[in-house]
Amino acid sequence: KNQVEQSPQSLIILEGKNCTLQCNYTVSPFSNLRWYKQDTGRGPVSLTIMTFSENTKSNGRYTATLDADTKQSSLHITASQLSDSASYICVVSAGGTASKLTFGTGTRLQVTL
Amino acid sequence: DTAVSQTPKYLVTQMGNDKSIKCEQNLGHDTMYWYKQDSKKFLKIMFSYNNKELIINETVPNRFSPKSPDKAHLNLHINSLELGDSAVYFCASSPRLNYGYTFGSGTRLTVV
Repeated sequence: KNQVEQSPQSLIILEGKNCTLQCNYTVSPFSNLRWYKQDTGRGPVSLTIMTFSENTKSNGRYTATLDADTKQSSLHITASQLSDSASYICVVSAGGTASKLTFGTGTRLQVTL
Repeated sequence: DTAVSQTPKYLVTQMGNDKSIKCEQNLGHDTMYWYKQDSKKFLKIMFSYNNKELIINETVPNRFSPKSPDKAHLNLHINSLELGDSAVYFCASSPRLNYGYTFGSGTRLTVV
């Protein structure tokens, strides 16, 4: 059964600090992995997308890593800002003709003063 | 300009009623989706349409009926609403199946 698990479930950090969110998956065959940011009351917005051959990808202060061998990904946020407060969702796509997305339950990040 | 727009944003209705949620995208995408996000923030696919044709129906009760009059629109009609239907429903589109999603802002449905 394809599954995506994220940790921690929630996280509170001070503005300016760094943090790392984790995503473990058991999706097979693997096609790609994405990180989405979902602000309260809004739809998810894509941050990064990584395929099997990519180990790291950055989008501003967001850096995603992928270890396809251990089936783990992380999202590192540098110098956090109040506007980073949101849910971060890891989504893994299975390949093949039955292409399907499996969503994680997300990590709720709160950045405080 | 909103790329994927849903209406209404909020919907409060009584059990047993029938309601519709509309979705439109102006991105020229071929594929559109409806997702349900429950109270635990878990997003679950309901339907996927490609060029107006249903390609994914994930064991959704037949009280839910999607309709795609053209590839820019995917509406969701729900009959005989139940308390368990309360959730946020997201419309999304992509240029091809399961790649490059753009989500709408969601419709918060509350059944009382």
